[in-house]
Amino acid sequence: NAGVTQTPKFQVLKTGQSMTLQCAQDMNHNSMYWYRQDPGMGLRLIYYSASEGTTDKGEVPNGYNVSRLNKREFSLRLESAAPSQTSVYFCANSPLTSGGAHEQYFGPGTRLTVT
Amino acid sequence: GENVEQHPSTLSVQEGDSAVIKCTYSDSASNYFPWYKQELGKRPQLIIDIRSNVGEKKDQRIAVTLNKTAKHFSLHITETQPEDSAVYFCAASYDSWGKLQFGAGTQVVVTP
Repeated sequence: NAGVTQTPKFQVLKTGQSMTLQCAQDMNHNSMYWYRQDPGMGLRLIYYSASEGTTDKGEVPNGYNVSRLNKREFSLRLESAAPSQTSVYFCANSPLTSGGAHEQYFGPGTRLTVT
Repeated sequence: GENVEQHPSTLSVQEGDSAVIKCTYSDSASNYFPWYKQELGKRPQLIIDIRSNVGEKKDQRIAVTLNKTAKHFSLHITETQPEDSAVYFCAASYDSWGKLQFGAGTQVVVTP
């Protein structure tokens, strides 16, 4: 039972290159999230998915796209990387119930550097 | 949208003393307030949470208090230990889909 896994752990890109960050969960939770973490700014939501096939923008979606093809996997794509996208990226998930928000479970993170 | 402010940004305490971190939020509809602890190089992990129908919650050395009227909530850590050194984040829910708005974080350093 791995919980939430992310690949790769580290990545260095040159400006303009593209890449996809992968996230998978075996917790059978409906909601999945992508955050970026920058020093002094906490965790900022990039995109959100309530269920398979649905996605929604968060606070900082520009420069990113996402895909939720099934319940387990939620990928984040950078089409043309920029130095401003240098950050640590976390995937998270949580159950979605009528009771409202619940604990979010985070993956180990991907440290991305864009030169 | 929701805005969450967290203070202080850094907190240095002597081992055995108490630590208090405060957060304010803007959306009166927020009803879920978790606290996460993040050790260096690790993922954030939930340490305690509280819902808006409760004023206080305790778990061993950790407690959270919520004042809905003033729209602020606080984390209290008693009898601090070196392993409490980490960055702590508060958060507040801001819609029915479970999204969270996080504070900027507090770096807590416990010195022996």
